[in-house]
Amino acid sequence: EPEVTQTPSHQVTQMGQEVILRCVPISNHLYFYWYRQILGQKVEFLVSFYNNEISEKSEIFDDQFSVERPDGSNFTLKIRSTKLEDSAMYFCASHARLVSTDTQYFGPGTRLTVL
Amino acid sequence: DAKTTQPTSMDCAEGRAANLPCNHSTISGNEYVYWYRQIHSQGPQYIIHGLKNNETNEMASLIITEDRKSSTLILPHATLRDTAVYYCIVRVTNSGGGADGLTFGKGTHLIIQP
Repeated sequence: EPEVTQTPSHQVTQMGQEVILRCVPISNHLYFYWYRQILGQKVEFLVSFYNNEISEKSEIFDDQFSVERPDGSNFTLKIRSTKLEDSAMYFCASHARLVSTDTQYFGPGTRLTVL
Repeated sequence: DAKTTQPTSMDCAEGRAANLPCNHSTISGNEYVYWYRQIHSQGPQYIIHGLKNNETNEMASLIITEDRKSSTLILPHATLRDTAVYYCIVRVTNSGGGADGLTFGKGTHLIIQP
């Protein structure tokens, strides 16, 4: 069964450094998402992406964040200057957006630790 | 999206049916009920969704009341691997309009006891 993959599984970085989290969505999906989950808290929506542009973003997704689909397979989340509070699990999801299978499929996540 | 209310936690014996309730009294006519689960910090996993009819798939059954103000997710024969946080989410289906994200609440922590 096709699945969303994410790399790395764990990223450790120093505060102020840039990080790029990578995702490979399911191949025939057209809509892509990033979510984050701070330890012990709810899963929070960050941003959605369709047709090479941001479709929707939450108030968490400020100027420090950016997303890109640099080629036909990868979908990336960049954090320009990491802060301690960016430490969280980051989940990528993708969606075919068909009436019959209208569900988002999530990857296993990247654990980001900012020191 | 309509707000949902779920119990914080529930226990169920292994092999028994786990019935997870969800209240969504402000649901609109075009909003679906979705269930996801998250096993110990893994990515959320889709389980099932429905509009007004009861639904069943290989993982679970979804029972929606006639007034659509509440629903129950049923795991017919719970196993230890079903221990997870279960999220009930009400939203308009994504088949039209923008690619809006899912709004997760705190969910129900289901613990399957051996």
